[in-house]
Amino acid sequence: GESVGLHLPTLSVQEGDNSIINCAYSNSASDYFIWYKQESGKGPQFIIDIRSNMDKRQGQRVTVLLNKTVKHLSLQIAATQPGDSAVYFCAENARSGAGSYQLTFGKGTKLSVIP
Amino acid sequence: DAGVIQSPRHEVTEMGQEVTLRCKPISGHNSLFWYRQTMMRGLELLIYFNNNVPIDDSGMPEDRFSAKMPNASFSTLKIQPSEPRDSAVYFCASSLAAGGYEQYFGPGTRLTVT
Repeated sequence: GESVGLHLPTLSVQEGDNSIINCAYSNSASDYFIWYKQESGKGPQFIIDIRSNMDKRQGQRVTVLLNKTVKHLSLQIAATQPGDSAVYFCAENARSGAGSYQLTFGKGTKLSVIP
Repeated sequence: DAGVIQSPRHEVTEMGQEVTLRCKPISGHNSLFWYRQTMMRGLELLIYFNNNVPIDDSGMPEDRFSAKMPNASFSTLKIQPSEPRDSAVYFCASSLAAGGYEQYFGPGTRLTVT
């Protein structure tokens, strides 16, 4: 039968424009969040992180915003370049009921940059 | 640093065969994680180790899967017997500690079970 795969949300952006990728997380106890970038055929690569005591953090061309009230995380990429084309994952870190930490990944958003 | 090293990069095997995936974490990292990535389910945590001790294996699919970490610089994920539904990309990641630190991922092992 036909296999049904994940239908990743896709964001298409013109080169040079800004990109905003959104993520809703599930656990109000999560205290650490990470954005990863995954290019085809490669492992996820760390972009930027933020702890729950902050609401904004900036890196080189990237900014992460955290809204704990609505459990929302966003990644902003300034002046998007063709090399930014990839799948972007948000991940939340929280202690499980068993006391162990677990990083839970979202389903990902595919960013396509139009030259 | 060479980063997280995984071998093999690609593995094709027949159903019923034993498969062993290998991982060398970044030196000095105390936590090691095994993930599986498929189109159907995305990126899933299978098991993680802290100071070579398995802490949470709740993500291991079934008894056919086992993982070991005999020392701080080496871990294996074994599937015996393998089945076609095990076909996926398996990632190993390491971090300084289990919580609140970024995880560094290896390049992954693409497993195909026919």
